[in-house]
Amino acid sequence: NAGVTQTPKFQVLKTGQSMTLQCAQDMNHEYMSWYRQDPGMGLRLIHYSVGAGITDQGEVPNGYNVSRSTTEDFPLRLLSAAPSQTSVYFCASSYSWTDRGDQPQHFGDGTRLSIL
Amino acid sequence: DQQVKQNSPSLSVQEGRISILNCDYTNSMFDYFLWYKKYPAEGPTFLISISSIKDKNEDGRFTVFLNKSAKHLSLHIVPSQPGDSAVYFCAASIRSNTGKLIFGQGTTLQVKP
Repeated sequence: NAGVTQTPKFQVLKTGQSMTLQCAQDMNHEYMSWYRQDPGMGLRLIHYSVGAGITDQGEVPNGYNVSRSTTEDFPLRLLSAAPSQTSVYFCASSYSWTDRGDQPQHFGDGTRLSIL
Repeated sequence: DQQVKQNSPSLSVQEGRISILNCDYTNSMFDYFLWYKKYPAEGPTFLISISSIKDKNEDGRFTVFLNKSAKHLSLHIVPSQPGDSAVYFCAASIRSNTGKLIFGQGTTLQVKP
């Protein structure tokens, strides 16, 4: 049982390049989300999904795309990387609140992304 | 506008003493609150939570207190141990809003042996 797995752990991109951050969970969680962590800012929600085929925007969605074709995977895409997207990205998952009540989110270990 | 605030960036306590971490929120719709602990190069780990229908929740050395009228919550760690040294984030959510979490900025706790 691996929990939430994020790949890669580190990545350096040039401005304008595109890439996909991968997130997979093996707990059959309905809810998945992406956060970014910047110094002094805590974690901010980028996008989230309440189930396969359903996604929605969080606090800071601009510059990022997501899709959820399976319960297990929730990739985050940067279409044209900008230096402002340099950050540490965390993926999280949990059971659905509507089905099971209060559910804490479980986090992956993060992807450190640098945009030059 | 930051809806969840942790006004103390850092806290240092002696091993065996009590650590008190504070968190304030502005949105009265929040009804579920959580504390996460984070070590360097790792993801946040869930520590303890509290529903707005309660004013206290305890789990071993960790107790969370909620004061709804003051829109304030605190995490007490007793006794503090060197392994508790980490960044602590409080988070808040509106249950009906699909569980989206709003995080504070974090407080770095150092427990000295």
